[in-house]
Amino acid sequence: DVKVTQSSRYLVKRTGEKVFLECVQDMDHENMFWYRQDPGLGLRLIYFSYDVKMKEKGDIPEGYSVSREKKERFSLILESASTNQTSMYLCASRRDVQPQHFGDGTRLSIL
Amino acid sequence: DAKTTQPTSMDCAEGRAANLPCNHSTISGNEYVYWYRQIHSQGPQYIIHGLKNNETNEMASLIITEDRKSSTLILPHATLRDTAVYYCIVTPQGGSEKLVFGKGMKLTVNP
Repeated sequence: DVKVTQSSRYLVKRTGEKVFLECVQDMDHENMFWYRQDPGLGLRLIYFSYDVKMKEKGDIPEGYSVSREKKERFSLILESASTNQTSMYLCASRRDVQPQHFGDGTRLSIL
Repeated sequence: DAKTTQPTSMDCAEGRAANLPCNHSTISGNEYVYWYRQIHSQGPQYIIHGLKNNETNEMASLIITEDRKSSTLILPHATLRDTAVYYCIVTPQGGSEKLVFGKGMKLTVNP
């Protein structure tokens, strides 16, 4: 079974902090994705990566950056957290054109 | 924008088959039908996908009409743990770079 692991289920941070969200997959998938999910807005793509050290902007990259130093790990960075970044963050991975598989999400609150 | 239409909600008795409908009248020739579900406070879980033939796996069956304008996800013996929001998505194989989830349909399995 595909396993996508996000480092924290719940996280509380303060405005202005630099926040790191980690995602690890154990299936040697080339493609990895970061989404955020908000009520009424559905799933929105922040960034994705096709391979190590490669990244592409999604629909809402502002205020975020990513890092993919190793194939299995894709990190999402909030450079200076703001309250409007309070959300559920979901990581997904995929091999080739196979379906995306998601982690359990990180519910992030910015106070 | 989501290209699918699902009922807002549906109830099913435990142990009975749950038939979840989805309309996708504008589906393109290269687009697959994917089903995901999301149990409260968890990440989306991939269920099944298909192009034009009916598909079955250990979780569910997918029936796609001959004109491909609609489909039905069948959970053969619903359990309480199947209570979730179910999303029907049409997208090129693999989901392209991002998945677009609509509002989905809340399935409640009752004892």
